[in-house]
Amino acid sequence: EDKVVQSPLSLVVHEGDTVTLNCSYEVTNFRSLLWYKQEKKAPTFLFMLTSSGIEKKSGRLSSILDKKELFSILNITATQTGDSAVYLCAVEPPFGNEKLTFGTGTRLTIIP
Amino acid sequence: ETGVTQTPRHLVMGMTNKKSLKCEQHLGHNAMYWYKQSAKKPLELMFVYNFKEQTENNSVPSRFSPECPNSSHLFLHLHTLQPEDSALYLCASSQDQRGTDTQYFGPGTRLTVL
Repeated sequence: EDKVVQSPLSLVVHEGDTVTLNCSYEVTNFRSLLWYKQEKKAPTFLFMLTSSGIEKKSGRLSSILDKKELFSILNITATQTGDSAVYLCAVEPPFGNEKLTFGTGTRLTIIP
Repeated sequence: ETGVTQTPRHLVMGMTNKKSLKCEQHLGHNAMYWYKQSAKKPLELMFVYNFKEQTENNSVPSRFSPECPNSSHLFLHLHTLQPEDSALYLCASSQDQRGTDTQYFGPGTRLTVL
């Protein structure tokens, strides 16, 4: 069975700090790895990663996938209180016939 | 049984049929959600219920009709669907409808509309 593990489960940092969230997976085959920010009601899409070693950036957020070591990281620099959320990592199966496999999430709290 | 369960796991229906998707959570949560996952698209939020009250309808066509009889059960009634409605429909629940509550997802119902 596919498995996605995120660490840490919870993280509390001060505003302005840089954080790195980890996602490791045990998946035999997948089409993409997705990062979501779950802030209010529903996960908000952040990144879709399909190729190993290519960093994707969006403002203060960046993410990279390592298919050899089977993990992905999400970096947030110069954190702000608005970054407080649960960050979810998910793996998309190759043929779109099955559900996303979600990780447990990392609860990030930014202290002013 | 624990966690979030969904039935059926697979459903094939014609455009004139009426069917219902069922979601049940055994986590004591107060908020429940319906999502649509289409191929090559991120998750799309459809409906949110908090304490059995619908708090969000994300511009979903009326051919999708949700029902939440209690905090543990959520239904999605389907009628006169279109082929483009074929997708994976995911149910989720969380303790409350707050920003920091983790949502727990069910296995999904794979819907095919012919």
